[in-house]
Amino acid sequence: AQSVTQLDSQVPVFEEAPVELRCNYSSSVSVYLFWYVQYPNQGLQLLLKYLSGSTLVKGINGFEAEFNKSQTSFHLRKPSVHISDTAEYFCAVSSSGQLTFGGGTRVLVKP
Amino acid sequence: EAGVVQSPRYKIIEKKQPVAFWCNPISGHNTLYWYLQNLGQGPELLIRYENEEAVDDSQLPKDRFSAERLKGVDSTLKIQPAELGDSAVYLCASSPSTGGAEQYFGPGTRLTVT
Repeated sequence: AQSVTQLDSQVPVFEEAPVELRCNYSSSVSVYLFWYVQYPNQGLQLLLKYLSGSTLVKGINGFEAEFNKSQTSFHLRKPSVHISDTAEYFCAVSSSGQLTFGGGTRVLVKP
Repeated sequence: EAGVVQSPRYKIIEKKQPVAFWCNPISGHNTLYWYLQNLGQGPELLIRYENEEAVDDSQLPKDRFSAERLKGVDSTLKIQPAELGDSAVYLCASSPSTGGAEQYFGPGTRLTVT
């Protein structure tokens, strides 16, 4: 079985400030890791993914994430957020084709 | 390239009524997923298709939910009869394959049961 824990349900942040969203996972097998973003009344859009190789993964919209196997973490970061980054962010793990999501972190960017 | 299409986008029904959701995946994607997303939570898998075969339906409440993917393309998810607790967003996703391939999500259908 696999599970994902997103440690923060809500993260308020000022515009142009950095943000970090924390994600920890558990799995008995090797997994692939994903971050998705969901804007209001829309489906999920992939930000980035880790399949193998370099542990630092760069995605769209200036986001990046670092895979840490020893800490079973996959934290998402952005050095400078914009108002348009206000959304819900989901961390997910995949093995054998099954995607398991965390509970989500709502990011509210304040001017 | 067109994305995953879902309809309707919104649906309001009374409890005990039937309801159906439709999904058209990205062309060429063999794998199709239906997810349930409750308010403030992450999506939870209901069923996964490989072409026309349901390969994982362990989380589908089979007493009231059913799904089909005739010809391995479009898919329909049905609830009969609907209950108040079924109010949620139903997301469809598709993928060119399983394993590490990313899933592409549709906009979802927001169901409200009154």
